[in-house]
Amino acid sequence: AQRVTQPEKLLSVFKGAPVELKCNYSYSGSPELFWYVQYSRQRLQLLLRHISRESIKGFTADLNKGETSFHLKKPFAQEEDSAMYYCALKPFGNEKLTFGTGTRLTIIP
Amino acid sequence: EPEVTQTPSHQVTQMGQEVILRCVPISNHLYFYWYRQILGQKVEFLVSFYNNEISEKSEIFDDQFSVERPDGSNFTLKIRSTKLEDSAMYFCASSPGVGNEQFFGPGTRLTVL
Repeated sequence: AQRVTQPEKLLSVFKGAPVELKCNYSYSGSPELFWYVQYSRQRLQLLLRHISRESIKGFTADLNKGETSFHLKKPFAQEEDSAMYYCALKPFGNEKLTFGTGTRLTIIP
Repeated sequence: EPEVTQTPSHQVTQMGQEVILRCVPISNHLYFYWYRQILGQKVEFLVSFYNNEISEKSEIFDDQFSVERPDGSNFTLKIRSTKLEDSAMYFCASSPGVGNEQFFGPGTRLTVL
């Protein structure tokens, strides 16, 4: 069985400060990890996935298999980053996404 | 840019009634999904659908639930006899193929009284 843990329900960060949203996972096989974001009154949308190794809107996330983590980071927070962030896992070759409980990020101006 | 659409945005029903939640996936997508999110809890997978049949379902997706693609564009979730604990936000998603991004709809908030 797979499980995703996001230990922080709420996170407040000052504008311009670094952001780190934590995500740990549990899965015995080979996982694919994602970060989804939901801005106020908008739909869930993919922010980034570990296999693409991109930086989207200044965010990066590195899969650490040793620590089973996929933390989301941004060096300088912006006000428009305020949103709900969900970490999710999908086994390779399978389409079922397993989500964490989410972290509500608030950027303080 | 094409988007997944869902109707209605909010559905209120009495316990024991049947409800049908509707979704229009993105037109060239082949995989379809339903997820739900009970208030304050995580988004949970319900079912995936490909080639006109269920490809995977979770333990939540019991005999009370069914899915259908009745006309080649709509994708529906039916709950036969709603319970109070079915109250949740229901999200439809679609993707072009295995391993591709899943695109989510805006959700239908179901309230069972």
